[in-house]
Amino acid sequence: EDQVTQSPEALRLQEGESSSLNCSYTVSGLRGLFWYRQDPGKGPEFLFTLYSAGEEKEKERLKATLTKKESFLHITAPKPEDSATYLCAVQATGSARQLTFGSGTQLTVLP
Amino acid sequence: GAVVSQHPSRVICKSGTSVKIECRSLDFQATTMFWYRQFPKQSLMLMATSNEGSKATYEQGVEKDKFLINHASLTLSTLTVTSAHPEDSSFYICSAGVGQWGNTIYFGEGSWLTVV
Repeated sequence: EDQVTQSPEALRLQEGESSSLNCSYTVSGLRGLFWYRQDPGKGPEFLFTLYSAGEEKEKERLKATLTKKESFLHITAPKPEDSATYLCAVQATGSARQLTFGSGTQLTVLP
Repeated sequence: GAVVSQHPSRVICKSGTSVKIECRSLDFQATTMFWYRQFPKQSLMLMATSNEGSKATYEQGVEKDKFLINHASLTLSTLTVTSAHPEDSSFYICSAGVGQWGNTIYFGEGSWLTVV
C-alpha cells in the first residue's frame, strides 16, 4: 500500500526565515511525486511534479527535491503570502493516475 | 494553463435530497477525472475514478449507489450525492491530468456541501 508521511504537521516561521518541509513516501513504483499548495477553503494549487531521484524544480521562493525515499520542499526567505498548507502526493506506476496524499504541513509565515 | 472548474462552490441541501456537483476541464480533454473528499484539517481522500464512457471505479468503503458519478463527455464529470445526510457534509474536490501521462494534475476549486 502506498503511503505518504509529511513533517512537520505545522511550521511557524518569521518572514525571511528559510526552512524545509519533508515528505517521506513508500510506493511500489513511483511515476511521480507532486507538491501542491492549498489555501483554506480552496482546491489544491499545483506546484511541482518530480519524476526521478536527483531531480530538482524551482518556482520563485520554492525548490523541490527528490530522493528514492523522500522529497523536500525548501522555502527560501518566505513571505506572509506563502502561508498555506503544503500537500505532497505520490502517483504509482500501474495506477489509474490517482494520487495518494500526505496529511500536509500547515505553514504560517509571520511578518 | 490548464484549468479545472467545479460548480457549485457552495451548496446547502436538506436531508434526504440529492445534489449534483459538476467538474469541467476548461481547456483540455480528460478521459479520466478523480473525485476526492476532504474533512476539515485533514488531507484529501480519493473517492472514485471517473472514466469517460464507462463506469466509475470506487475506492473501498465508498458507496457507489450513494455517490453517483457520470463522465458523459471528455470535459465533464458529475458527482451526485443521493439521499444526502448531515454526515455527507464535506468539501468535495475533483481533479484531472494533462500531459503525455496525465502527470500534471490540476484540481478544481472544490465544492462545499452542507446537509441540514
